[in-house]
Amino acid sequence: QVQLVESGGALVKPGGSLRLSCAASGFTISDYFMSWIRQAPGKGLEGVSHITSSGSTKYYADSAKGRFTISRDKAKNSLYLQMNSLRADDTAIYYCARHWKGLPDYWGHGTLVTVSS
Amino acid sequence: QSVLTQPPSASGTPGQRVTISCSGTSSNIGTNTVHWYQQLPGTAPKLLIYNNNQRPSGVPDRFSGSKSGTSASLAISGLQSEDEADYHCAAWDDSLNGQVFGGGTKLTVL
Repeated sequence: QVQLVESGGALVKPGGSLRLSCAASGFTISDYFMSWIRQAPGKGLEGVSHITSSGSTKYYADSAKGRFTISRDKAKNSLYLQMNSLRADDTAIYYCARHWKGLPDYWGHGTLVTVSS
Repeated sequence: QSVLTQPPSASGTPGQRVTISCSGTSSNIGTNTVHWYQQLPGTAPKLLIYNNNQRPSGVPDRFSGSKSGTSASLAISGLQSEDEADYHCAAWDDSLNGQVFGGGTKLTVL
C-alpha cells in the first residue's frame, strides 16, 4: 500500500538550515507529481513546493523562493526539501504528498519544524 | 490569508445535514476541479472528495461534493460524532501554477 514517511524536522534557530526527507513505498515517486505542503500552528494548508513526474519543473511558493530546494532520489524512492535561511514564520508541520488528478491523494504523517531562538 | 475562502467553523447535531462552502476565483475553482480533505485531530489530511463530487473507496456516501462557477460545497448528511474534524478544500490555480487551499473549516458535532 502507499506510504509516505517524513523525517528531519527539528528545533532550529532563525537563519539555520534543515533537510526534510520523505521515504515513499508502494509506488514509484518518479511516476508522480509530488509536493511539500505545510501547516502552521492553528492555520490552514499551504503548498510550499512541488516537482513534476518528469522532474523538469519545480515550483516554489513566494514564501519559499530562494531559500528552499526540492529534489528527489529515484534510487532511494525519496523526496527531499532543503530549507535554508529559516525564519520564525516557517514554523509548521511539513507534509509530503503524492498527487493524482492534479492534487494530493496520499499524505505522510508530517514532520514538525520549529524555528525559534 | 488563504487563496480559497472557507468559513472558519461549522456545527450540527447528530443526524443533521451540514454544508461547508469554499469560494475561489476563475483561475482556480472556476477552471479546475476541487478536492476536499478531512483532518481528524492530530492527524494528516485524508482525501474525502476528488474531482468535485467523487468519493474514494471507503468514504461513506454521507459525504458529497458539488461545484458551481467559482464555488464548491461539501455536504455531510446523517452527521456523526466521528465527523468532528477540520475540512479543507483545494484546487489547482492556473495563475499561480500551483495548488491552493482554503483556510479550513472546523466542524463541531454538538
